[in-house]
Amino acid sequence: AQSVTQPDIHITVSEGASLELRCNYSYGATPYLFWYVQSPGQGLQLLLKYFSGDTLVQGIKGFEAEFKRSQSSFNLRKPSVHWSDAAEYFCAVVGPSGGGADGLTFGKGTHLIIQP
Amino acid sequence: DSGVTQTPKHLITATGQRVTLRCSPRSGDLSVYWYQQSLDQGLQFLIQYYNGEERAKGNILERFSAQQFPDLHSELNLSSLELGDSALYFCASSAGGRSLNSPLHFGNGTRLTVT
Repeated sequence: AQSVTQPDIHITVSEGASLELRCNYSYGATPYLFWYVQSPGQGLQLLLKYFSGDTLVQGIKGFEAEFKRSQSSFNLRKPSVHWSDAAEYFCAVVGPSGGGADGLTFGKGTHLIIQP
Repeated sequence: DSGVTQTPKHLITATGQRVTLRCSPRSGDLSVYWYQQSLDQGLQFLIQYYNGEERAKGNILERFSAQQFPDLHSELNLSSLELGDSALYFCASSAGGRSLNSPLHFGNGTRLTVT
């Protein structure tokens, strides 16, 4: 079964500093990977996704993520964070199944705190 | 604003009761997904409907059921409620039937508290 691990429950970063949120997945074949952000009281918003091709994908709000097959990782990065980036971040995976459950499998999330 | 509307925003009920959560997808979206978010389990996929028919099933309990109506809105019915059912329930919609082809747009959720 596919799974996603986000090792960091909380991360604190100073405003203007760089950010990297870790995500490791477990899946037999090449998975489809996503990063979502959840602001307080809001639903989830898609930041970016990886299906195939270039392993470095660009998303909205200045975020990017790199797929590394050898490390089973899909880490999210941003060169300079803003106070408005404080939120919960979720990594998710879905397999390119031809049948079965098509719902995304989410990690437990990483809570990002921005220090002034 | 994602365009997905969930009602009610908050629901407080007692154990053993039954509740219905409602979701209106974005205009034009044919798929509706239901997710449960709790502190211990995280975000769990429950069920997906596509154009009125059940498309995929995840970790949905037998006490829970859902349906999608001809106007594409969906309802999630939770019965014989237990304390452990307290959670945030999200609805998401997408244009197509495969989440990997069509981005999911999430509503703001219904917070269910079972006392």
